[in-house]
Amino acid sequence: DTEVTQTPKHLVMGMTNKKSLKCEQHMGHRAMYWYKQKAKKPPELMFVYSYEKLSINESVPSRFSPECPNSSLLNLHLHALQPEDSALYLCASSQDLQTDSSSNEKLFFGSGTQLSVL
Amino acid sequence: QKEVEQDPGPLSVPEGAIVSLNCTYSNSAFQYFMWYRQYSRKGPELLMYTYSSGNKEDGRFTAQVDKSSKYISLFIRDSQPSDSATYLCAMRGTNAGKSTFGDGTTLTVKP
Repeated sequence: DTEVTQTPKHLVMGMTNKKSLKCEQHMGHRAMYWYKQKAKKPPELMFVYSYEKLSINESVPSRFSPECPNSSLLNLHLHALQPEDSALYLCASSQDLQTDSSSNEKLFFGSGTQLSVL
Repeated sequence: QKEVEQDPGPLSVPEGAIVSLNCTYSNSAFQYFMWYRQYSRKGPELLMYTYSSGNKEDGRFTAQVDKSSKYISLFIRDSQPSDSATYLCAMRGTNAGKSTFGDGTTLTVKP
């Protein structure tokens, strides 16, 4: 199984709503990532978890709150978002996060959640 | 100036053509070089991975890295309509987990 599964595929929410994005992988990967992608732009890194601990936070606003309940699951909790947060949110995983290992370069992406904030 | 420059295209070729996609970069610390393919409304899919300089071939795809020129390429032979997608180059130096992506080149292969 080389899939990263993201739910929901589409989400529309108001600025006062609270919602969560979910991501799951069963490849035994120990690094999991959240990216944000605007139309016709490359993915932008938001968060990286390594062995279920937050390893990288790219100065993301606190209205985005990541959570890694176990090695297979990654959540992104959303609260009080702005219309400019509308984007495709991508989850990815890699084998691990070792600096000098080639294994962590091979990112496996999910299909994403297309989020619209009204 | 961006660390990674990639011509966004769009690039349109006839079926069967050889396609050349390129990226240049400025950070000499980059060691790991990747090419991803992204179909519309899907996540990127890793196509090719290369460490340091050299060539790598996988079926119709060839990746080349020239670190002396800070230039990487992806060649697609016998292009097919199913190759129509956005191609993203990505690279990383010593910062584990932080790949820098190019803006992507949109390719259309016409039957």
